[in-house]
Amino acid sequence: KQEVTQIPAALSVPEGENLVLNCSFTDSAIYNLQWFRQDPGKGLTSLLLIQSSQREQTSGRLNASLDKSSGRSTLYIAASQPGDSATYLCALYNTDKLIFGTGTRLQVFP
Amino acid sequence: DAGITQSPRYKITETGRQVTLMCHQTWSHSYMFWYRQDLGHGLRLIYYSAAADITDKGEVPDGYVVSRSKTENFPLTLESATRSQTSVYFCASLGRTGVGQPQHFGDGTRLSIL
Repeated sequence: KQEVTQIPAALSVPEGENLVLNCSFTDSAIYNLQWFRQDPGKGLTSLLLIQSSQREQTSGRLNASLDKSSGRSTLYIAASQPGDSATYLCALYNTDKLIFGTGTRLQVFP
Repeated sequence: DAGITQSPRYKITETGRQVTLMCHQTWSHSYMFWYRQDLGHGLRLIYYSAAADITDKGEVPDGYVVSRSKTENFPLTLESATRSQTSVYFCASLGRTGVGQPQHFGDGTRLSIL
């Protein structure tokens, strides 16, 4: 059974820092991987989707990488801002279904 | 407006009652999904549908019923609500699998069962 782990569970950093969120999975036979952002009391916003044939995707200050052989994905956030404070979730596609990690709660303070 | 909408946003009910959560999408996506989100468990798949009249169980289907008579709607029914079903429920949709399309999520329904 595929298991998805996100470390750390919570992270608090000062504004301006570059940071890395980690996502590990046990079964490398995945299709795609998607990173989401969730604000308190809100739904999920898709940030980046990496197809299984890709190594990374970039959008603005965000960069996500995928290494299937080692069972890892990372989300890199450059020059963090207070508005980046949220919970970040990674999720793997098992054919058409998503398997979620438990998330990293990020707080960026001024 | 185009998108995926869930209703109601908040619901309080009592144990044993039947309650239906609605999900509507305007993209004509083939796939639709229901998840629940609980502290300590993250998001877990309840049911999903690959097309109208096709549904399948996810990880935690017990106590739930779904139907999909129209592509755009995917209601989730709790036939006899229990306190363990208190949760935040999210609906999602997906156009096609295997081609790098992301799932799109609604804003959720916060359900409390007393």
